[in-house]
Amino acid sequence: AQSVTQPDIHITVSEGASLELRCNYSYGATPYLFWYVQSPGQGLQLLLKYFSGDTLVQGIKGFEAEFKRSQSSFNLRKPSVHWSDAAEYFCAVDGGGYNKLIFGAGTRLAVHP
Amino acid sequence: EPEVTQTPSHQVTQMGQEVILRCVPISNHLYFYWYRQILGQKVEFLVSFYNNEISEKSEIFDDQFSVERPDGSNFTLKIRSTKLEDSAMYFCASSSSALAVNSYEQYFGPGTRLTVT
Repeated sequence: AQSVTQPDIHITVSEGASLELRCNYSYGATPYLFWYVQSPGQGLQLLLKYFSGDTLVQGIKGFEAEFKRSQSSFNLRKPSVHWSDAAEYFCAVDGGGYNKLIFGAGTRLAVHP
Repeated sequence: EPEVTQTPSHQVTQMGQEVILRCVPISNHLYFYWYRQILGQKVEFLVSFYNNEISEKSEIFDDQFSVERPDGSNFTLKIRSTKLEDSAMYFCASSSSALAVNSYEQYFGPGTRLTVT
């Protein structure tokens, strides 16, 4: 069965520092992969997605992610974090069937000034 | 920008009571979903809905749950007899296209926090 693991529950970085959030997936075929962000009181907003093609995908808010099939990973990166990036980040994979998404447990990002 | 809306933002109910969570998906979307997140746990898929019928449901979505699109704009989740373990954040989502189309994206609402006492 498809699954997603986000090994880091909480991450704290300083403003301006680089960021990498880890995501590993389990999937039998080529997966469709997503990163969502949730700010307090908000819904889940799509940051970026990978369907096929170039393994480095660019998203909104300066985020990018790299699909590495050999490592079953889809890590999210940002070169310079802003205080407004403090939020919870969810990695997801398509669950097969009728469009359901399988989510990881999320990583809560705190940004120090 | 169009968005998915959900009401109420917070619902408190007593065990055994029926609740209806309401969602207004984005107007031209065709696919609708409910997910839930128990505090401290993963976001879990409950059900997908297309063409006025359930496309897929998870094992969580038992006979106590039902969904409906009563008119052209609302999408509801009903829990017939709530249990303590139904306490969670419930997210509605919608999409205009199916997975495997490059423009595919699920748009999520802000959620309804359901507390069962």
